Amino acid sequence: GENVEQHPSTLSVQEGDSAVIKCTYSDSASNYFPWYKQELGKRPQLIIDIRSNVGEKKDQRIAVTLNKTAKHFSLHITETQPEDSAVYFCAASKGGSQGNLIFGKGTKLSVKP
Amino acid sequence: NAGVTQTPKFQVLKTGQSMTLQCAQDMNHEYMSWYRQDPGMGLRLIHYSVGAGITDQGEVPNGYNVSRSTTEDFPLRLLSAAPSQTSVYFCASSWDNSGTGILFFGSGTQLSVL
Repeated sequence: GENVEQHPSTLSVQEGDSAVIKCTYSDSASNYFPWYKQELGKRPQLIIDIRSNVGEKKDQRIAVTLNKTAKHFSLHITETQPEDSAVYFCAASKGGSQGNLIFGKGTKLSVKP
Repeated sequence: NAGVTQTPKFQVLKTGQSMTLQCAQDMNHEYMSWYRQDPGMGLRLIHYSVGAGITDQGEVPNGYNVSRSTTEDFPLRLLSAAPSQTSVYFCASSWDNSGTGILFFGSGTQLSVL
């Protein structure tokens, strides 16, 4: 079935460094790719998303890139801050079905001051 | 504006007991869904609904039932709880039924089945 692979599972960076999280998906019909951030004990919240007709999208310190040919997309966080520490989930829409997202298993990002 | 409200926040059950997790949203969203979150497993879709009277199965539907009698409410029923159902459960809603809209999550229900 459809699958979303996310790497790495844990990532530790120094404050001010960049962080990159990568995801691959299997469903060639997927056309929507959101990223959610979940702080400890809190609910997941959308931080950025990209659609299949766009190769890159940026919002201040975060950016997402999409390579549809290779079926992978990445989250880039620049100038990391301690408040960026959280678990990040990528997701891909399930082609041909209504209302479904397939999530990756998450990346725990730790930003050390 | 309450958004997506889940109750209870915590629940402990014994094996074989039944219970209902409540979810309500006040944003007039047509799409509602239930996910479970287990360590290292991400978020897995249990059931979803694209409108009142319409429900469908997600990735891991076994052991759970849902109904959608109103736009606002989407309860999740555990018929006979098992230890494998120990998890954190999130309800989420969206204005977009196509799967390409922002999901608004509730605050979660932490369920332990002994």
